[in-house]
Amino acid sequence: GESVGLHLPTLSVQEGDNSIINCAYSNSASDYFIWYKQESGKGPQFIIDIRSNMDKRQGQRVTVLLNKTVKHLSLQIAATQPGDSAVYFCAETRYTGNQFYFGTGTSLTVIP
Amino acid sequence: DAMVIQNPRYQVTQFGKPVTLSCSQTLNHNVMYWYQQKSSQAPKLLFHYYDKDFNNEADTPDNFQSRRPNTSFCFLDIRSPGLGDAAMYLCATSTGPRETQYFGPGTRLLVL
Repeated sequence: GESVGLHLPTLSVQEGDNSIINCAYSNSASDYFIWYKQESGKGPQFIIDIRSNMDKRQGQRVTVLLNKTVKHLSLQIAATQPGDSAVYFCAETRYTGNQFYFGTGTSLTVIP
Repeated sequence: DAMVIQNPRYQVTQFGKPVTLSCSQTLNHNVMYWYQQKSSQAPKLLFHYYDKDFNNEADTPDNFQSRRPNTSFCFLDIRSPGLGDAAMYLCATSTGPRETQYFGPGTRLLVL
């Protein structure tokens, strides 16, 4: 079936290391992707987005990479900090419809 | 600061007793969404309003209703809450159906 999924449900990294969170999608019509960060008890917070006409986009300490050939999306966090500990969701939408589809989430734990 | 506001942050209700959750926004966005999020799961879209046009997801139970009296406010009414309706309810807004969604902090509903 069609899905947006994450390779790893949990990820632990040492403070200061780089983190990579992966997301796979299956629909060829997917053309806009967003990464959200959700801290415990809070709503999802927009981190970074990318459209399908790009393969890389950078923000402050974060980079999103899009590989349309293998339908893979990744979020890279540089110099991970304790405040980065949260659940990260990828979400995508398709030019065939209006809905955003959320992945299952990856829980990132930063070890001081 | 422009934002999405949800009240209350925590709501306790009794089994079968109607409850209303509220969302307001100062972003002047055209689209408002309601999501249900259960523990360790991705947000699940219940419905959305594009201006005054109501769009219900096919699998949203009839027990869930929504009202949008004006651009700024949107309400989620649960007519007869069951134990399975205990969850975090997230409101989000966007400028258009396939644009970035900005989330409120959520209302955690407990059904006794």
